[in-house]
Amino acid sequence: EVQLEESGGGLVKPGGSLRLSCAASGFTFSNVWVSWVRQAPGKGLEWVGRIKTKTDGETTDYAAPVKGRFSISRDDSKNTLYLQMNSLKTEDTAVYYCTTHRGIVNLLDFWGQGTLVTVSS
Amino acid sequence: DIQMTQSPSTLSASVGDRVTITCRASQSISSWLAWYQQKPGKAPKLLIYAASSLESEVPSRFSGSGSGTEFTLTITSLQPDDFATYYCQQYNTYLTFGQGTKVEIK
Repeated sequence: EVQLEESGGGLVKPGGSLRLSCAASGFTFSNVWVSWVRQAPGKGLEWVGRIKTKTDGETTDYAAPVKGRFSISRDDSKNTLYLQMNSLKTEDTAVYYCTTHRGIVNLLDFWGQGTLVTVSS
Repeated sequence: DIQMTQSPSTLSASVGDRVTITCRASQSISSWLAWYQQKPGKAPKLLIYAASSLESEVPSRFSGSGSGTEFTLTITSLQPDDFATYYCQQYNTYLTFGQGTKVEIK
């Protein structure tokens, strides 16, 4: 059974940093593209960024609102995905989900349950 | 960037109703479109991909159609478990979601 478990969320002040983790199990993590998607309270879904597999160069791409502030990495030996968030803003407050891609397209099939990040002074 | 626009934002319906949600893309995305269902406090669940392909174990009362820039999600005979928010998502170029359609009880 595919499982994705996010952790690391919490309360952080504007301008601060936080690192989220996503532990994967039930599939061969190293073979899968993965993305972070967020959802602000009461709002819709917003793609944050994606990392491809090592075979595909571990290429990362980011949405415009987080480019230059957020960084996605992966440790295939630990089956874990990371999201390093720097220079946090109040508008980054959201539930952050990790998701797997189906094949090499941007279709998201499995989702974790999410972790809440609150940016507030 | 490709923008996705869903309509309506909210839809009131009764059990047994036929429900249709529309999603429009700002430029052609061929059939690179998915639909997700999200219930409060839960992660989204994939329902439809490639505009009209039903994800495994999703009830057949859900169907999708369209290509290019106009797409629809139809639920025939709405069931109590179907009251939720539905999102379209294009995956032609990166990813973009529609703003969501909440299906509520009439």
